[in-house]
Amino acid sequence: KNEVEQSPQNLTAQEGEFITINCSYSVGISALHWLQQHPGGGIVSLFMLSSGKKKHGRLIATINIQEKHSSLHITASHPRDSAVYICAVLSGGSNYKLTFGKGTLLTVNP
Amino acid sequence: NAGVTQTPKFQVLKTGQSMTLQCAQDMNHNSMYWYRQDPGMGLRLIYYSASEGTTDKGEVPNGYNVSRLNKREFSLRLESAAPSQTSVYFCASSDYLRLTDTQYFGPGTRLTVL
Repeated sequence: KNEVEQSPQNLTAQEGEFITINCSYSVGISALHWLQQHPGGGIVSLFMLSSGKKKHGRLIATINIQEKHSSLHITASHPRDSAVYICAVLSGGSNYKLTFGKGTLLTVNP
Repeated sequence: NAGVTQTPKFQVLKTGQSMTLQCAQDMNHNSMYWYRQDPGMGLRLIYYSASEGTTDKGEVPNGYNVSRLNKREFSLRLESAAPSQTSVYFCASSDYLRLTDTQYFGPGTRLTVL
């Protein structure tokens, strides 16, 4: 079982819809990152969370440490939001270990 | 600022050939990383450099070597390429090796080993 599970794997929405992407992890963590990868490959860091909630524009990220779960929400989705969204967690221990989920492919249709 | 740059963007190798992937950052970051991304799998860390002069293995280091040439540059070398190394390779950098720090990614190198 992967340490980081994302759902859904694929998501298609109509422009304007509210989007939720979920990330569950099985290890204790210090921080969780949400990344965006556009077609063509470029990867951009969206959020780093260790607790609570963060908002940037139409994007909102939440984390529940006790439930080992994070969500990324996109309000008023737009075709330019079409991308792969990746969750990554830092698991505990002395060695550097940033573990990535497989990503959620979001397609927003006009 | 260019951010993180990688060369080449694409490369095709034959099994057994060697090559070096180059990465440079102009953000004065201390820490740099090499990842590979394979279809159906998440990004996986190959090697990282916490600071100039240090390198450490990540999750999948076998078949690779790295050099932190200076603070700006971090190269990844495949000494004898194998088809299993066909992947997209990303270089990244961050201010420090604090995983709460944002990582900035390069555009990637798409490598095919025949």
